[in-house]
Amino acid sequence: GIQVEQSPPDLILQEGANSTLRCNFSDSVNNLQWFHQNPWGQLINLFYIPSGTKQNGRLSATTVATERYSLLYISSSQTTDSGVYFCVRGTSYGKLTFGQGTILTVHP
Amino acid sequence: EADIYQTPRYLVIGTGKKITLECSQTMGHDKMYWYQQDPGMELHLIHYSYGVNSTEKGDLSSESTVSRIRTEHFPLTLESARPSHTSQYLCASSETRTNYGYTFGSGTRLTVV
Repeated sequence: GIQVEQSPPDLILQEGANSTLRCNFSDSVNNLQWFHQNPWGQLINLFYIPSGTKQNGRLSATTVATERYSLLYISSSQTTDSGVYFCVRGTSYGKLTFGQGTILTVHP
Repeated sequence: EADIYQTPRYLVIGTGKKITLECSQTMGHDKMYWYQQDPGMELHLIHYSYGVNSTEKGDLSSESTVSRIRTEHFPLTLESARPSHTSQYLCASSETRTNYGYTFGSGTRLTVV
């Protein structure tokens, strides 16, 4: 099946810093999503981004489908951004395949 | 606020017990899913349903079973719990017409002793 690889596995930031998370996939993907899991375990969908760029507040995401990668940008990070960020491939049947995740810790 | 509810939030039970993890959603979604999350964080699909009386096994083999008698309800059952079943179980639902619009429950953290 299609592999989804995320980097870095861990990231530690000071509040206010910017960061970029990367997701590489082994084959073409027409359903690419980013999720955030907070320290209490709740998963929230951030972006549906099969191609192009989207922005939502301090977060933005870019997918370059032809080069098989996606990037998640976090600007002016806050402690509430801490948690795990997942790059996720969706299928036409609605199933999701998760990457290994990036653990983000933002210190005050 | 999430419109998908999982109970219990935490559960510690003894080996051999039968348990049912509850999942209900109020959004009228036809598609529902159960994911298992290991301590290493990666989520794996163990069951899914496309509607009433529809259930399928997911990508990760699981000894659990599911049922879908009502659109809003998708319970997961373990007939005889074992320590290897210790994990976090997450229920989700998604819109019928799109391939996104996922909503996850808060999860049930199961510990079998």
